[in-house]
Amino acid sequence: NAGVMQNPRHLVRRRGQEARLRCSPMKGHSHVYWYRQLPEEGLKFMVYLQKENIIDESGMPKERFSAEFPKEGPSILRIQQVVRGDSAAYFCASSPQHNAAGQETQYFGPGTRLLVL
Amino acid sequence: GQNIDQPTEMTATEGAIVQINCTYQTSGFNGLFWYQQHAGEAPTFLSYNVLDGLEEKGRFSSFLSRSKGYSYLLLKELQMKDSASYLCAVRADSWGKLQFGAGTQVVVTP
Repeated sequence: NAGVMQNPRHLVRRRGQEARLRCSPMKGHSHVYWYRQLPEEGLKFMVYLQKENIIDESGMPKERFSAEFPKEGPSILRIQQVVRGDSAAYFCASSPQHNAAGQETQYFGPGTRLLVL
Repeated sequence: GQNIDQPTEMTATEGAIVQINCTYQTSGFNGLFWYQQHAGEAPTFLSYNVLDGLEEKGRFSSFLSRSKGYSYLLLKELQMKDSASYLCAVRADSWGKLQFGAGTQVVVTP
């Protein structure tokens, strides 16, 4: 009964490099959410995806950030040309197919801690 | 704007009770969640309220008043392992994204 899996758990990048964060949802879950947690701050929503579709990307920075959830394989959050301000913990959450009320619980992965030098 | 407010820190003694309040102002409401987060770890789900009233789960209870935009999480018979950050989160729409408060750090002392 594996939970949400994320890798890598820790990632160090130099300014200008690319960061790729992976998330495998819980078995049977088709909805993936990405959140960012800056030091001493709350979790901030970034993007919500279903298989091959971006449903809501209202929390994504307009440049350098992109996300996908392909038909096969994990969801990927990609940050191009990283800057020091991108240093944060990035959490992925998954939920099952929504019921009519859309009231499913989200279960979180262990996060990827990105450090930009 | 949209706000979710909760106290920054609370301290309580082992065996005692602590109540963490959360007030919210959001464009819509489709459920309120409480998560526990230990330092460096993932948030873990504690409770969910969508209707007014009290939900009880062992030592943890959560209350919701939609008309007041108010919830609380009650932790009873505190244990040292309950020292963690407690996150209040609101789902404002039917899509599922959660809006989080900044979290309340609970410190349990012997």
